[in-house]
Amino acid sequence: QQQVKQSPQSLIVQKGGISIINCAYENTAFDYFPWYQQFPGKGPALLIAIRPDVSEKKEGRFTISFNKSAKQFSLHIMDSQPGDSATYFCAAVRGFQKLVFGTGTRLLVSP
Amino acid sequence: NAGVTQTPKFRVLKTGQSMTLLCAQDMNHEYMYWYRQDPGMGLRLIHYSVGEGTTAKGEVPDGYNVSRLKKQNFLLGLESAAPSQTSVYFCASSPSGTPTNQPQHFGDGTRLSIL
Repeated sequence: QQQVKQSPQSLIVQKGGISIINCAYENTAFDYFPWYQQFPGKGPALLIAIRPDVSEKKEGRFTISFNKSAKQFSLHIMDSQPGDSATYFCAAVRGFQKLVFGTGTRLLVSP
Repeated sequence: NAGVTQTPKFRVLKTGQSMTLLCAQDMNHEYMYWYRQDPGMGLRLIHYSVGEGTTAKGEVPDGYNVSRLKKQNFLLGLESAAPSQTSVYFCASSPSGTPTNQPQHFGDGTRLSIL
């Protein structure tokens, strides 16, 4: 049973385009929603995160949009660059640090 | 400042063999975690520790044991390896507290194949 559903599984975007990755959750007790970025051969690294009392958070070219009523959140990467090519994981946490991860999205930004 | 270091980086085992994966962190973090990453399944928590001498089960603990004898080290053991345990294993650590201000830091993984 996947508590956090992530889509798409893979994504190809041209340089300069917008990459959008979507996640949905069921457990309304989740209170923290981080996104992790993982490059090949490396561990995941925290990219950006949001709490459910905020509808949007922006850090540079990366934005999280959060829809509490729909229990959905998404990552937008503006002006996507080849260096953004990586696997992205959404996650959810309730209280203590037991992260529940989505299944991942492999992003390829073509030059 | 190495962060989280995992040893070994690669290993091939035969079914039934045992081995221990070592995780070391130099950030004086209280919490440590072991995850496994499988294609199409994201990362799943195996075991975690909230301090030296304490461990707890995560989402997929069967077939694994852990120990936290020293604050900086977290060991993951496979007593009798099975092909279903072929995976990439990640260790992470974080300071105590909620994840909103204390994110988890991951190592670069151990790629384990069991034949």
